[in-house]
Amino acid sequence: GQQLNQSPQSMFIQEGEDVSMNCTSSSIFNTWLWYKQEPGEGPVLLIALYKAGELTSNGRLTAQFGITRKDSFLNISASIPSDVGIYFCAGPFSGANSKLTFGKGITLSVRP
Amino acid sequence: GAGVSQSPSNKVTEKGKDVELRCDPISGHTALYWYRQRLGQGLEFLIYFQGNSAPDKSGLPSDRFSAERTGESVSTLTIQRTQQEDSAVYLCASSLGRMATEAFFGQGTRLTVV
Repeated sequence: GQQLNQSPQSMFIQEGEDVSMNCTSSSIFNTWLWYKQEPGEGPVLLIALYKAGELTSNGRLTAQFGITRKDSFLNISASIPSDVGIYFCAGPFSGANSKLTFGKGITLSVRP
Repeated sequence: GAGVSQSPSNKVTEKGKDVELRCDPISGHTALYWYRQRLGQGLEFLIYFQGNSAPDKSGLPSDRFSAERTGESVSTLTIQRTQQEDSAVYLCASSLGRMATEAFFGQGTRLTVV
């Protein structure tokens, strides 16, 4: 089936540092999504990518849709303590826009 | 409220009991989704409702799981004869149209089966 791979499972950075997270798949995705989940909350959409090669920014966040359509990355610049959380990549199942498949997520910790 | 609301926020149940989880979508959203999130894992799709169309139940893991939705309002997810492996956070989301990429998530119900 379609799987999204995220590693490592956890990342630890110092406040002010930049961090990059990658998401890969053996299957082609036509849409890539990046979510953040904080404890006790549901995931919140950060960035949506709809076109191969697309580079999109949202404040200190930048994400790119890989040209092979099999990968995407998310960059967070100048990290702050409130960036802590779990970051998931996701995409529609086999082109069915009504359901998403998610990676296992990367837990980000930011040391003040 | 303006967001997706789920209740209860936490539920502890004994193995073998039935549980019902509730989701109130954003008003006017025609699509509603249920996902399951096991500890340390990503979200797994369970079921999708779109208006009055037949739901997509392709993600339900067994016949112990069922869900209903009345029109475009509240949905309930029922798990019968709960097992310990059912312990997870159950998340509901809703969207205005049929694009899951535009869905908003509730805070989830944390189910613990003891």
